Amino acid sequence: DQQVKQNSPSLSVQEGRISILNCDYTNSMFDYFLWYKKYPAEGPTFLISISSIKDKNEDGRFTVFLNKSAKHLSLHIVPSQPGDSAVYFCAATRAQGAQKLVFGQGTRLTINP
Amino acid sequence: GAVVSQHPSWVICKSGTSVKIECRSLDFQATTMFWYRQFPKQSLMLMATSNEGSKATYEQGVEKDKFLINHASLTLSTLTVTSAHPEDSSFYICSAPPSGSYEQYFGPGTRLTVT
Repeated sequence: DQQVKQNSPSLSVQEGRISILNCDYTNSMFDYFLWYKKYPAEGPTFLISISSIKDKNEDGRFTVFLNKSAKHLSLHIVPSQPGDSAVYFCAATRAQGAQKLVFGQGTRLTINP
Repeated sequence: GAVVSQHPSWVICKSGTSVKIECRSLDFQATTMFWYRQFPKQSLMLMATSNEGSKATYEQGVEKDKFLINHASLTLSTLTVTSAHPEDSSFYICSAPPSGSYEQYFGPGTRLTVT
């Protein structure tokens, strides 16, 4: 049972444009969501997070949107830069509990010059 | 941000031997750490939750006698792969949340190859 899904395995965006990565979840108990960036043979790097009490969180070029009714979140990167090319994972957890993260399958983002 | 280190970054061992991987939180204390493994082109799968001062909690399907976890202090957790076999070859990653934080910070990972 895949509780967190990233349906797009890959995404290609031109440098300077907006990158939008999507994530859906099925477990309504999740109330905290995170985005991580990962390069090959490295650990994930935390990017941005959002609590279910908010619908938007912004940090520099990164903005995460949460639509609780649709159980959907998205990560917007603008403007996209070549260094943003990586695999992006969304993750979900319950704020109260064991803090276990459930990861999506990841989306490989490629920024073209 | 918080820093988590892992050692070694890669290791090659012979089938039947044991390998120990260390995970350290460098600038914060972590009562809980998590161990994941990642197969090529797949997501991170949680293996177990390491709890300082108590037994680890293993996810369903993970053999606790094969993957021994010891959380010796508030900054160190170790994962020992016992009697390793080629199918244990994988990328092992640990993570830790600073106290009071929901964000988990990941180590750089350890590539294990069992020949």
